[in-house]
Amino acid sequence: RKEVEQDPGPFNVPEGATVAFNCTYSNSASQSFFWYRQDCRKEPKLLMSVYSSGNEDGRFTAQLNRASQYISLLIRDSKLSDSATYLCVVSGGTSYGKLTFGQGTILTVHP
Amino acid sequence: EAGVTQSPTHLIKTRGQQATLRCSPISGHTSVYWYQQALGLGLQFLLWYDEGEERNRGNFPPRFSGRQFPNYSSELNVNALELEDSALYLCASSLLGVTGELFFGEGSRLTVL
Repeated sequence: RKEVEQDPGPFNVPEGATVAFNCTYSNSASQSFFWYRQDCRKEPKLLMSVYSSGNEDGRFTAQLNRASQYISLLIRDSKLSDSATYLCVVSGGTSYGKLTFGQGTILTVHP
Repeated sequence: EAGVTQSPTHLIKTRGQQATLRCSPISGHTSVYWYQQALGLGLQFLLWYDEGEERNRGNFPPRFSGRQFPNYSSELNVNALELEDSALYLCASSLLGVTGELFFGEGSRLTVL
């Protein structure tokens, strides 16, 4: 079983749509959680951290369910510029210092 | 402020050769991470250096090695290159370790022929 699993997609949605990505992780001792974004042929960049209480940043909402070892990202009112690969990232647990990346979910927003 | 810089941008080698990739972290960052991103695969953790010491390494053979210099820059060495080593090698730095944000460089694309 992969340490971090994501649905690779691709998700093809029209502008203005709401889209949700899910991610599961296998190490129950994991401590920190993030969503990164990677544009085509570019480096990954932090989109947002994920906190147990859930957190929102504009059109983006991230949630964490430690009991189910599940992380989600919700994007509302999708823009063309949201087209990218979204990476679920988990750190901590038994392997300190290692950030484990999911394979990524591809999102394409079309006009 | 300069971001994470990596060199070379592209590198072509043949099987059995050695490759050396370099990374300069953001000024003030003491942690440097190396990741491999092969085509169709996610980012695979290679190495983590902090304050000049190797703190953790991923599930890669010993022919993948590196070091961190006193100025916190880092070098990744890959010996006895194999075709499957062809990938984008990403370096990242951080100020707060894994509890904080990783800032990635644009990567070095290694092609092994």
